[in-house]
Amino acid sequence: DSGVTQTPKHLITATGQRVTLRCSPRSGDLSVYWYQQSLDQGLQFLIQYYNGEERAKGNILERFSAQQFPDLHSELNLSSLELGDSALYFCASSYGLAGPSSTDTQYFGPGTRLTVL
Amino acid sequence: AQSVTQLGSHVSVSEGALVLLRCNYSSSVPPYLFWYVQYPNQGLQLLLKYTTGATLVKGINGFEAEFKKSETSFHLTKPSAHMSDAAEYFCAVSQLMGGGNKLTFGTGTQLKVEL
Repeated sequence: DSGVTQTPKHLITATGQRVTLRCSPRSGDLSVYWYQQSLDQGLQFLIQYYNGEERAKGNILERFSAQQFPDLHSELNLSSLELGDSALYFCASSYGLAGPSSTDTQYFGPGTRLTVL
Repeated sequence: AQSVTQLGSHVSVSEGALVLLRCNYSSSVPPYLFWYVQYPNQGLQLLLKYTTGATLVKGINGFEAEFKKSETSFHLTKPSAHMSDAAEYFCAVSQLMGGGNKLTFGTGTQLKVEL
C-alpha cells in the first residue's frame, strides 16, 4: 500500500458525460501528479500540482482539468467524454518538487478505471 | 527531451532463472532513472531508482539495476526468478519541466515466469 488513495476504483459512463476522479496523496506529500494509462498510448503524464499550484503540464486535453485543494487532495475532471478516454487514470504523490532527493520519488495510487460506453 | 526505450515487450523465463529486462535512455543531462512494477489490476510500485552516486542500485524483492553511462542503459536484473515476479515492468526517466517535473515511461515489459 503506497498510501495514495484514489476513488472511485471503477467508473462506467456514457459519451458526452463529465466525471470527477479524486486522489488523496500520502500524508505530508505536497505534489500530486496525474497519469493516464491506455493500451495505445501507454503511460502518459497529464499534469502536476504542488501545494495547490499547477507546476507542470503534459499532453492534457482541453476537455480535462485538474485542481489541488488546500487539504492537498486533488481532483481530475474529464468532460465531453469520448470512447478514446477509456483508460486507467493514476494519481501519484511526492513530498518535493523535483530533483534527486528521495522526497521527490513518486508513489502511485491504485488507479481509477474509466470506461466510456 | 528525455526518453526511455524498453527492448522486448514480453519476456519469458523459467522459475529460478536469471531475469534481465532491458532499458536504454536518451538524455542530454544526467538522468534520474526508475523501475516500477505493475501487478495485475494494481498501481505502480517503485522497485528502485538511480539518481547519483553508486551505479549499481539495489531494490526491493531482490531486483537490482546498473546505470551504464557509456551504454546509456539501466537494465533490471534478478538472479533467480520467482513465480510472484510475473508482472509488467516499466522503466522511467524523471524530466524537469519548468517549475515541476514528470516521469516519462517506457512501453513496458511483461514478464512471464514458467515452472
